[in-house]
Amino acid sequence: DTAVSQTPKYLVTQMGNDKSIKCEQNLGHDTMYWYKQDSKKFLKIMFSYNNKELIINETVPNRFSPKSPDKAHLNLHINSLELGDSAVYFCASSPTRGTNSPLHFGNGTRLTVT
Amino acid sequence: QKEVEQDPGPLSVPEGAIVSLNCTYSNSAFQYFMWYRQYSRKGPELLMYTYSSGNKEDGRFTAQVDKSSKYISLFIRDSQPSDSATYLCAMGGNNRLAFGKGNQVVVIP
Repeated sequence: DTAVSQTPKYLVTQMGNDKSIKCEQNLGHDTMYWYKQDSKKFLKIMFSYNNKELIINETVPNRFSPKSPDKAHLNLHINSLELGDSAVYFCASSPTRGTNSPLHFGNGTRLTVT
Repeated sequence: QKEVEQDPGPLSVPEGAIVSLNCTYSNSAFQYFMWYRQYSRKGPELLMYTYSSGNKEDGRFTAQVDKSSKYISLFIRDSQPSDSATYLCAMGGNNRLAFGKGNQVVVIP
């Protein structure tokens, strides 16, 4: 009964392809996030949704489009994949939208673009 | 100056030693301070959470916050090989949440 689960765990694809990553949380949290972690372990926020509403949209290429069908799910679709998109993408959730609310992370999706 | 500075290491220590990690920050709006532990191929997991200056202890782990110096620390006593991981500091406040770059720790048996 994983709290924050994301699929797939690994994704290897070629440049130019379109791919999606799915995330689900069973913690009853209101807020969900996508983070990108580069090879040097630096975590950078991409998007945040609170109860299906987009609340954070950092400077991310518009090839990245999040979608939240309900507050327990947050998916990430990436169009026209580029080499620089290779990274580990983490989904996370928190009870509230405040920055005092600790995050619960999934185990990541390792994306490799060739 | 970066918002959160954390020396990436790596830091290698013998088993049983005290591990000392720290982060500095520049944003005075940060009021909440967290340490996450990340094992290889896993997501970060919350280790310590504090919102006031001073020390907070949990087992072998102590988190220390000095808001006047904008400096936080994590100490691991009697380190074990199972403590080998990357430790990330994180700080929140005023609708901002920022992570440090992570510090890789290796505890050698």
